[in-house]
Amino acid sequence: IAGITQAPTSQILAAGRRMTLRCTQDMRHNAMYWYRQDLGLGLRLIHYSNTAGTTGKGEVPDGYSVSRANTDDFPLTLASAVPSQTSVYFCASSPSGANVLTFGAGSRLTVL
Amino acid sequence: GENVEQHPSTLSVQEGDSAVIKCTYSDSASNYFPWYKQELGKRPQLIIDIRSNVGEKKDQRIAVTLNKTAKHFSLHITETQPEDSAVYFCAASTPRYGGGGFKTIFGAGTRLFVKA
Repeated sequence: IAGITQAPTSQILAAGRRMTLRCTQDMRHNAMYWYRQDLGLGLRLIHYSNTAGTTGKGEVPDGYSVSRANTDDFPLTLASAVPSQTSVYFCASSPSGANVLTFGAGSRLTVL
Repeated sequence: GENVEQHPSTLSVQEGDSAVIKCTYSDSASNYFPWYKQELGKRPQLIIDIRSNVGEKKDQRIAVTLNKTAKHFSLHITETQPEDSAVYFCAASTPRYGGGGFKTIFGAGTRLFVKA
């Protein structure tokens, strides 16, 4: 089934640890995004990539990094997790020239 | 910076009544306005969208209206059913000039309860 796969589904992490959230899509969409969802704040963009090999900063990029080595994969890394990064993280993608987002199932991250 | 304001944050209606959620946006270059529905524990899913060259769009029980002059758009759900209970997000999407692609800003969400 075509779509976006995120892993892990859920993770509890000690503060200071490094964590990578994985995102893979098989729709050949050029653009990919990482959002975090917090109660009362909606979905906020962390980083994006318009095409393989390029990335850009969103609204809340501090403490996060991304890479886009190929079209399908867009991992999000927390180099040294802090409790304020406790959130639900959604990966999304959109086809070239269109801004209709398709979301993954989300990754719930708790930083203690 | 650009933002999208969404009201109300919570809405409770009786089954069969109508529900209206309103959003305003700040970036006049925004040209695409999607609405997403998120059920508890699930991913956001697109339910309807409207582009800036259209004032209204309808799909069965849901409709969206856009007033570009006022930078205001609304979601209307008629004949609400218990399965409409969810969180609804509006969003405004703007082309990124120079860098390519689009920037989509979301509202904070409206939690809709439909009482049977």
